[in-house]
Amino acid sequence: DVKVTQSSRYLVKRTGEKVFLECVQDMDHENMFWYRQDPGLGLRLIYFSYDVKMKEKGDIPEGYSVSREKKERFSLILESASTNQTSMYLCASSLRGEGSNQPQHFGDGTRLSIL
Amino acid sequence: AQSVSQHNHHVILSEAASLELGCNYSYGGTVNLFWYVQYPGQHLQLLLKYFSGDPLVKGIKGFEAEFIKSKFSFNLRKPSVQWSDTAEYFCAVRPNAGNMLTFGGGTRLMVKP
Repeated sequence: DVKVTQSSRYLVKRTGEKVFLECVQDMDHENMFWYRQDPGLGLRLIYFSYDVKMKEKGDIPEGYSVSREKKERFSLILESASTNQTSMYLCASSLRGEGSNQPQHFGDGTRLSIL
Repeated sequence: AQSVSQHNHHVILSEAASLELGCNYSYGGTVNLFWYVQYPGQHLQLLLKYFSGDPLVKGIKGFEAEFIKSKFSFNLRKPSVQWSDTAEYFCAVRPNAGNMLTFGGGTRLMVKP
């Protein structure tokens, strides 16, 4: 069974801090994703990585960066946290393949509050 | 870029009522379609998916969805809901040649016992 683990369930940080959210998957998936989930807006893709050190911007990358130094780990970085980044952050992973019929598997989420 | 619309943000039903949640997408090419469910306090789980073939797909827990290509729709249905179906439901679309999902805004379903 696929396991996607996010390092924190709840996190409280201050405006201007640099924030790291960590995600680890144990199924050797090539693709990893970071989303934020906000009421009424569903999930919006922040960044996507299809291989180590490879990344692509999603729909809302502003104010965020990512790091993928190892295949199993995908980090989301808030360079200088702002209150509008208070949200639920979800990590997901999947096997690669154009037209692949593999779904994405999600972690439990990190509820981040920026004060 | 593709987009996904879920028309109902909140749905309240009594047990045994029938359910239909709407999902429409905009994209000109071939797509893969998904419904995910998030039970309270749990992570998102795949409910069902459509890639090709029979446009009526069956998922877990008695859910099914029908892909109507002409209407760009992928509505989720269940003939008789249970209290345990209380959750948030997300429709998602992925271009057949891509890896990135686009999600709808979600529908919160509350089933009254």
